[in-house]
Amino acid sequence: DAGVTQSPTHLIKTRGQQVTLRCSPKSGHDTVSWYQQALGQGPQFIFQYYEEEERQRGNFPDRFSGHQFPNYSSELNVNALLLGDSALYLCASSLLPTGDNEKLFFGSGTQLSVL
Amino acid sequence: TQLLEQSPQFLSIQEGENLTVYCNSSSVFSSLQWYRQEPGEGPVLLVTVVTGGEVKKLKRLTFQFGDARKDSSLHITAAQPGDTGLYLCAGIDNAGNMLTFGGGTRLMVKP
Repeated sequence: DAGVTQSPTHLIKTRGQQVTLRCSPKSGHDTVSWYQQALGQGPQFIFQYYEEEERQRGNFPDRFSGHQFPNYSSELNVNALLLGDSALYLCASSLLPTGDNEKLFFGSGTQLSVL
Repeated sequence: TQLLEQSPQFLSIQEGENLTVYCNSSSVFSSLQWYRQEPGEGPVLLVTVVTGGEVKKLKRLTFQFGDARKDSSLHITAAQPGDTGLYLCAGIDNAGNMLTFGGGTRLMVKP
C-alpha cells in the first residue's frame, strides 16, 4: 500500500521564478492538505483540497495556489518566489467525510530552496 | 488565530532519564494530536486525544489532554536514543479540516 508520495524531493529556484510541487495521496484517500515548514518551526497550514475544490485556506498570499485532479492527486504552485519561501513543503492526505479526517498521513516533503 | 506553544524548544538528556513536553494554547480545540518527525521525513502521527482529561499510553509514552482541552503533555519514561526527534503537537479545529501545529520540541537522547 503506497503511502503519500511527493515530487520532487529537492528543488532549487531563484527569486521571481515559479514552482510546481506534486503530491499523490495514500491509496483510498480523497483529501489533500498542504503545509509549509520553515527551518526549526512547526508546519503551517496552506490549504486543503477535496472534490477538486479548495475547502479551507490558511494565512498565505495568493501567490500560493493549488489544484486537485480527478484521481485525487494535487499540485501546489508558488509564483514570484521570495527568499522566505524556502522551506519544506509537506503534503498530507486523509479521508473525508467518513470521520477519519483527523487521521492525516504525511509525505516526506519537498525541500525548496530559493536563492 | 489559534496558537500552540510548546516547551521546551530543545531538550538534551541521557538515556534512561524521564522527560515531559508541554503544549499550551489559549484556544479550545476539538482534539489534539502528537507527531514525531525525523530529519528529511514528514511528521508521523503518534496519538489523538479527544476528551478533556483523557490519558493515553503508547509503550513508554504517556499523553494527556487538559480538562479544558486547551493544553496537553507528553511524558516519556526511560528515554532511549531511538526517541530522538522533533515532537510536534497539533490542534484540530472544530470543522476538522486544519491542523495548527506548535513550534515543536527537539529531543536528543544521548547513549
